[in-house]
Order: sequence, then C-alpha cells, then structure tokens
Amino acid sequence: GENVEQHPSTLSVQEGDSAVIKCTYSDSASNYFPWYKQELGKRPQLIIDIRSNVGEKKDQRIAVTLNKTAKHFSLHITETQPEDSAVYFCAASRGVTGGGNKLTFGTGTQLKVEL
Amino acid sequence: DAGITQSPRHKVTETGTPVTLRCHQTENHRYMYWYRQDPGHGLRLIHYSYGVKDTDKGEVSDGYSVSRSKTEDFLLTLESATSSQTSVYFCASVDYYTQYFGPGTRLTVL
Repeated sequence: GENVEQHPSTLSVQEGDSAVIKCTYSDSASNYFPWYKQELGKRPQLIIDIRSNVGEKKDQRIAVTLNKTAKHFSLHITETQPEDSAVYFCAASRGVTGGGNKLTFGTGTQLKVEL
Repeated sequence: DAGITQSPRHKVTETGTPVTLRCHQTENHRYMYWYRQDPGHGLRLIHYSYGVKDTDKGEVSDGYSVSRSKTEDFLLTLESATSSQTSVYFCASVDYYTQYFGPGTRLTVL
C-alpha cells in the first residue's frame, strides 16, 4: 500500500518568514495530493490540493509543488502569520477511481509562527 | 463543513464494553470513512464505505466493525473496547475529490 513520509515533524519560524513542509510518497499510481490544516481541538480542513497533471498550484500565500518523478510534494507558506500556527498534514491517494479517494496521511508537521 | 456531524463528541468507557460511534452527513455523499488520530501517527484509515451496505477495511481495522444502512449514516463499533483504542475518531465524506471531516469523537477507554 501507499506510504507517505512527512518532514519536519516540528517547524518554528518568525512571523513574515516562509515555511516549507515536504512529503514523499511510495505509490507511483497516486495522483491526488491534498494538504490539511488542523488547529488544536478542531477537525482537519483542506487548504490546498494538487493533481498529478500539474506541477504547481497557488492560492494566495500558500502553494504546493509536485515532482512525480521523485515522488515528492511540498507545501510552501509565505509571509507567515500567527494564525498559520497549526498542524499540517499531507496526504496521497489514487483518486476516486482507486476506491473513493482513500487518503494515506503523513504524520503531520507542527508549525509555530513566533512574533 | 459539508454538514457532517459525529456523536457522541466525548465518551469514557471501560475495557471490554461495546461502543458505537455515529457519523451523519446531509450531503448525500456516496463515500464515507472512519479514521483514528493518535500522536505521532497522523490519521489512519479504519474502515470506509462506498455505498449503502458496501464497506471495506482500512489499514487499522482489527477490533472495529462498521455498518451503513442509509446513505447519511456510517456507524463505527468497537466490539470490545481496549485501552489501545483510546483515540480521537474522525469520520469523513467525499465530494468528488475533497474529503470533509466531522468534528471528531474523543474516546477514552479505562
């Protein structure tokens, strides 16, 4: 089955700096890569996703890049703000054709944005 | 939040007792999932459903069973709860690609 590794497990940045979280996956058939943000005591919420037919996607201060050859993808947050502090999870799946988009998650990155 | 609710939100039970957690969605989504979340492990899939009465196992299914008699409800049962099943349980449903999560159930097995 799919295996997703995520690094780093904790990340501390100064407000205004950029943050980068990296994930690698093992299943070459995976074609959908979402990122979730989870605040303390809350449910995971989708912040951005990318499909394998594109290499990069941006949404305001966040972006995701995908390298299918190397089987890794990354989350980039620019101009970090205190409200970006949360746990971020990457995930991978074969999409809806692979059984309803079953996701395999990374183990999470605790991001702390310091004032 | 795609109209997904979970009940109960918190539960404390004793080892050996059966426990049922409920997930309810109002979006008529076909696919639904149950995950457990533990420190250092992220979210791990327990069981999932691809339609009424159609379910399958995930990576950590031992000790759990599920049922889906209606599109909107997906039940997770711990047949005989153990302390290792102390966790936060999330259900989710899928709208095409996007998985929407419920608010979670914190289960403590003493």
